[in-house]
Amino acid sequence: GDSVTQMEGPVTLSEEAFLTINCTYTATGYPSLFWYVQYPGEGLQLLLKATKADDKGSNKGFEATYRKETTSFHLEKGSVQVSDSAVYFCALLGTSYGKLTFGQGTILTVHP
Amino acid sequence: DAGVTQSPTHLIKTRGQQVTLRCSPKSGHDTVSWYQQALGQGPQFIFQYYEEEERQRGNFPDRFSGHQFPNYSSELNVNALLLGDSALYLCASSLAGKDTQYFGPGTRLTVL
Repeated sequence: GDSVTQMEGPVTLSEEAFLTINCTYTATGYPSLFWYVQYPGEGLQLLLKATKADDKGSNKGFEATYRKETTSFHLEKGSVQVSDSAVYFCALLGTSYGKLTFGQGTILTVHP
Repeated sequence: DAGVTQSPTHLIKTRGQQVTLRCSPKSGHDTVSWYQQALGQGPQFIFQYYEEEERQRGNFPDRFSGHQFPNYSSELNVNALLLGDSALYLCASSLAGKDTQYFGPGTRLTVL
């Protein structure tokens, strides 16, 4: 079945550092890929998405490129801020219509 | 434009009891999905409703049931509660045929 694997966390960075959170997936066909962010005590917010190979999703300085050859969708940001501290989830929407499959989440903490 | 709303925010029940959680989708959306998020984990898909019918179901026992009303709002019912049912329950809405799901803030269920 479908699965998503995220890099083990947590990740701790200083403000203005470069961020990479790795995400790889297993799915049949051509899934759509997503990054969601969860702030403490809140639900999930869509951060960005990509629907086909080589697409780049971007939002709020975050970027991720759909790499079918490596089945990856790594999240990057050039300069993180304290306000980016949250839990980040990689997810895919596969052939099972409507079911999002999530990774285990990566906790990001950014220090001033 | 109202987003996805859920009620109640928090709920405390004891083992063996029954609980009902409610969700109102984002304006214009006709599809509702429910997810269970255990502490420190990614959300797990419970089921999805469209046109008042369960369209897809994840690996959850029959104790978990749902309903969708003509106005597209939805309920999640859990019978014979177990300690392991303690989690954040997330509702997500979408438009049929579209790949993006928008999440509500969740209901935190604690089973004692």
